[in-house]
Amino acid sequence: ETGVTQTPRHLVMGMTNKKSLKCEQHLGHNAMYWYKQSAKKPLELMFVYSLEERVENNSVPSRFSPECPNSSHLFLHLHTLQPEDSALYLCASSQGLSLTEAFFGQGTRLTVV
Amino acid sequence: SQQGEEDPQALSIQEGENATMNCSYKTSINNLQWYRQNSGRGLVHLILIRSNEREKHSGRLRVTLDTSKKSSSLLITASRAADTASYFCATEAHNAGNMLTFGGGTRLMVKP
Repeated sequence: ETGVTQTPRHLVMGMTNKKSLKCEQHLGHNAMYWYKQSAKKPLELMFVYSLEERVENNSVPSRFSPECPNSSHLFLHLHTLQPEDSALYLCASSQGLSLTEAFFGQGTRLTVV
Repeated sequence: SQQGEEDPQALSIQEGENATMNCSYKTSINNLQWYRQNSGRGLVHLILIRSNEREKHSGRLRVTLDTSKKSSSLLITASRAADTASYFCATEAHNAGNMLTFGGGTRLMVKP
């Protein structure tokens, strides 16, 4: 248990569906992240929020829409995804953005059919 | 873009042996971190080494950093079957807004 909880753990969705991934951290951290992990590819940083403001958006397609309503919660809204978006989506949090370790959730295994 | 690259991509050893994994990176960094990931799970932080440090220990782990060669190594001594996992280096680089950038990882298998 890392203090970062992601739900759901597994998600299968059609290309026309809309779904949301949820991440909650109980560590009092002020930065949260979404990463995408595909088979045989390095972990890709998608979005970074610091103090509830987005500070990084790594050229992610608009079919992925993040939301950070407060410092403890982070969402990733999904719509009209493609099969190549199937991956493990990892949420992480940290205290600050520099010289700090990241705490990861267990991930959501997403399959787009 | 990928900053850190681990070598080897896969490593298989017997229990009790030492495992060494290497990481190379391209630009100057603030710090380098090593993480572990069990299959299909989240990453767990192992150790952080700052750019002005050369070596750091944590239990059976030893990390070295050579900023002149832009490389780091992770040594796991007296390996156990439970050490089987993927190991990733992550760099916090000046030119990446101090965000962590991960390498592709080394898959370590420790046979009992």
